[in-house]
Amino acid sequence: EVQLLESGGGLVQPGGSLRVSCAASGFTFSSYAVNWVRQAPGKGLEWVSAISGSGGSTYYADSVKGRFTISRDNSKNTLYLQMNTLRADDTAVYYCARGRSGQYHYSDMDVWGQGTTVIVSS
Amino acid sequence: QSALTQPASVSGSPGQSITISCTGTSSDVGGYNSVSWYQHHPGKAPKLMIFDVSSRPSGVSDRFSGSKSGNTASLTISGLQAEDEADYYCSSYTTSSTVVFGGGTKLTVL
Repeated sequence: EVQLLESGGGLVQPGGSLRVSCAASGFTFSSYAVNWVRQAPGKGLEWVSAISGSGGSTYYADSVKGRFTISRDNSKNTLYLQMNTLRADDTAVYYCARGRSGQYHYSDMDVWGQGTTVIVSS
Repeated sequence: QSALTQPASVSGSPGQSITISCTGTSSDVGGYNSVSWYQHHPGKAPKLMIFDVSSRPSGVSDRFSGSKSGNTASLTISGLQAEDEADYYCSSYTTSSTVVFGGGTKLTVL
């Protein structure tokens, strides 16, 4: 079964850092681009970042550029999001989502995890 | 990048058809045939319903269809069923190599 499973969410103080992970199974992880998408409480979906299958190309929303870093370890079938200088408005459920086809195709997402919750609060 | 514009809510009775619009600009919806639609039941993972404006993934009912005209994309659900009640989001690839989502539309089946 094709699956994505996020972990690593939690409570962090403003200005702090956190790394969330996404473990993939059931497909050839390195053959697909992967995204992070978040949903703040009571708000809609917001695309955060994407990475190509090889990890050589990365893309970020303006709201997180310079603070968040997306990476992947294809030997471990795992995607990461390192979040630094966290702010209250980063509070959200963070989903990882697979690009539908190919190493560089990330704009439509056919497999989603259940999400991990990040709360930024003092 | 501003969010795409969707109506906050739509409603319909079982068996009826509804259409949800998604308006962007020439830098996103109007510039690419990379519009997708997602169904999201609260507390669950979002589900891809339409990609590339009008294509359906395997397993998605043909009651769901998509289209685009200029800077506005649309999702039509025909033969409404109770299980269709959910939040729906459009998304588009952009000229900045990013992805932008719509604000979401809550569908109520009366």
